[in-house]
Amino acid sequence: AQTIHQWPVAEIKAVGSPLSLGCTIKGKSSPNLYWYWQATGGTLQQLFYSITVGQVESVVQLNLSASRPKDDQFILSTEKLLLSHSGFYLCAWSPGDTQYFGPGTRLLVL
Amino acid sequence: GDQVEQSPSALSLHEGTGSALRCNFTTTMRAVQWFRKNSRGSLINLFYLASGTKENGRLKSAFDSKERYSTLHIRDAQLEDSGTYFCAAESGTGGYKVVFGSGTRLLVSP
Repeated sequence: AQTIHQWPVAEIKAVGSPLSLGCTIKGKSSPNLYWYWQATGGTLQQLFYSITVGQVESVVQLNLSASRPKDDQFILSTEKLLLSHSGFYLCAWSPGDTQYFGPGTRLLVL
Repeated sequence: GDQVEQSPSALSLHEGTGSALRCNFTTTMRAVQWFRKNSRGSLINLFYLASGTKENGRLKSAFDSKERYSTLHIRDAQLEDSGTYFCAAESGTGGYKVVFGSGTRLLVSP
């Protein structure tokens, strides 16, 4: 069975500090991978997707970047956090149709 | 651009009754997925449809790409059905872009 993990579970960071969120999928080779973000009270927005290792497509610009260094790993990062980056980050994988979501990471930027 | 309008934003049902949630799309979408938010805030997959209808227990979903809408019907609602439901549509313009609805908060009461 496939499993998806996200780390950390939650994070409190200062404005201007760097951020790295991780997502790992086990039990599935060459999955499509996605990053989503939801501001408190807002609608879930797709940030990035990746179809293969080393390839990432940006969907919305939020001063964030993503990378896929391995087939089963998707990283979301920024060198300088903004207050507006606070929210809930979800990673998802798909074999090509249904998307399966990870448990999410809550980020609070102060 | 691609947008998803989900309605109603909130819905109250008595146990044993039913109703429908609806998502309208501003453009032609390739597929739709319905989710329910779990206690931690992540998403549990209910249905994925590229066309037609699917049924699972007391839930039934339909997707009409040409008419640009999808529905989620709940019948014989139970207390444990309470929660927030989302639709998400895959952009018909190709690629792997996904647009979420704003959610429906369902409350089932005795």
